[in-house]
Amino acid sequence: KNQVEQSPQSLIILEGKNCTLQCNYTVSPFSNLRWYKQDTGRGPVSLTIMTFSENTKSNGRYTATLDADTKQSSLHITASQLSDSASYICVVSGGNKLTFGTGTQLKVEL
Amino acid sequence: AAGVIQSPRHLIKEKRETATLKCYPIPRHDTVYWYQQGPGQDPQFLISFYEKMQSDKGSIPDRFSAQQFSDYHSELNMSSLELGDSALYFCASSLARGAGELFFGEGSRLTVL
Repeated sequence: KNQVEQSPQSLIILEGKNCTLQCNYTVSPFSNLRWYKQDTGRGPVSLTIMTFSENTKSNGRYTATLDADTKQSSLHITASQLSDSASYICVVSGGNKLTFGTGTQLKVEL
Repeated sequence: AAGVIQSPRHLIKEKRETATLKCYPIPRHDTVYWYQQGPGQDPQFLISFYEKMQSDKGSIPDRFSAQQFSDYHSELNMSSLELGDSALYFCASSLARGAGELFFGEGSRLTVL
């Protein structure tokens, strides 16, 4: 069964600090992996999308990595801001199907 | 740039009523997905359409139906509504059956009383 597991489930950090979110997947076949940011009650917004051959991709203060051998991905947030408080969802695409992770709830505090 | 448009944004219905949600994908996108997201839960895939034909089916109840029209907009019809149907319903669109970038709408919040 295709699964996407994210950790930690929730995270609280101070403004300005860095953090790393993890995503492990068992999706086959694999097409791409996406990270989304979802504010409460809003639609998910794409941060990065990576294919099998890509190891790292950055989008401003967000940097995603992908290890297709171990089927792991991480999302690193640098110099966090209060507006980074949201749910971060890892979505893996394969065989025309999308499998959603359970998300990591990030809260950035002063 | 045009995004995925969903309507209505909010909808309140009573049990056993029907509801229809609409989704207008990004122009030229050929694939539409519908998701249901309950409070504190990850989105659950309901159904998808590629070039106006149903391409995949997830955990969509038999009380629900959907279709994609000639102009590529899609509608999710929900009948005999139950309290448990209260959720955020997201529509997403992409090119090439999801191999391309996937864009989500802002969602339609359905509340069943």
